[in-house]
Amino acid sequence: GENVEQHPSTLSVQEGDSAVIKCTYSDSASNYFPWYKQELGKRPQLIIDIRSNVGEKKDQRIAVTLNKTAKHFSLHITETQPEDSAVYFCAAPGSLRQLTFGSGTQLTVLP
Amino acid sequence: GAVVSQHPSRVICKSGTSVKIECRSLDFQATTMFWYRQFPKQSLMLMATSNEGSKATYEQGVEKDKFLINHASLTLSTLTVTSAHPEDSSFYICSARDLRRQETQYFGPGTRLLVL
Repeated sequence: GENVEQHPSTLSVQEGDSAVIKCTYSDSASNYFPWYKQELGKRPQLIIDIRSNVGEKKDQRIAVTLNKTAKHFSLHITETQPEDSAVYFCAAPGSLRQLTFGSGTQLTVLP
Repeated sequence: GAVVSQHPSRVICKSGTSVKIECRSLDFQATTMFWYRQFPKQSLMLMATSNEGSKATYEQGVEKDKFLINHASLTLSTLTVTSAHPEDSSFYICSARDLRRQETQYFGPGTRLLVL
């Protein structure tokens, strides 16, 4: 099955700085990579996703890059704000298109 | 947008009782729904994949007789935790895959189960 590894587990940045979270996956057939943001006690919210036919996708302050050869993808948040503080999860699909999640990154944006 | 509801949001029960959790897709059809379990400060662990009109596919280590899943319609899946014990206490979250966007999963708000 799919194996997804996520780093770092915790990340603290100053407000206005950039944050980068990285994930690797094992199944070379995977072709869809979503990122979710989860605030404490709440549901995961899809913030951005990328399909394997593109190498980068951007939505305002959030971007995702994908390197299929190396089997890794990254989340980039620029001009971070305190409300960006949350746990972020990457994911990749398995053979039945179920999602395998990374272990999560606790992002703290310091004012 | 795609909305998934989950009920109840919180339940406290005595050991040995059964608890049913409902997951509904409100504005789209979902042939496939997923059930996850999340412990504090941990990731989401897939328990089972629920397919409308057929048996659920359980992940390794998940007891199908303990966690009964029924997916009776394109908008409703239920998870029943049978004979619950304190170790079953957890945050249970469902997600539904939108037929129109095959890969995208939308999550319900979760159910916090506490077994005394």
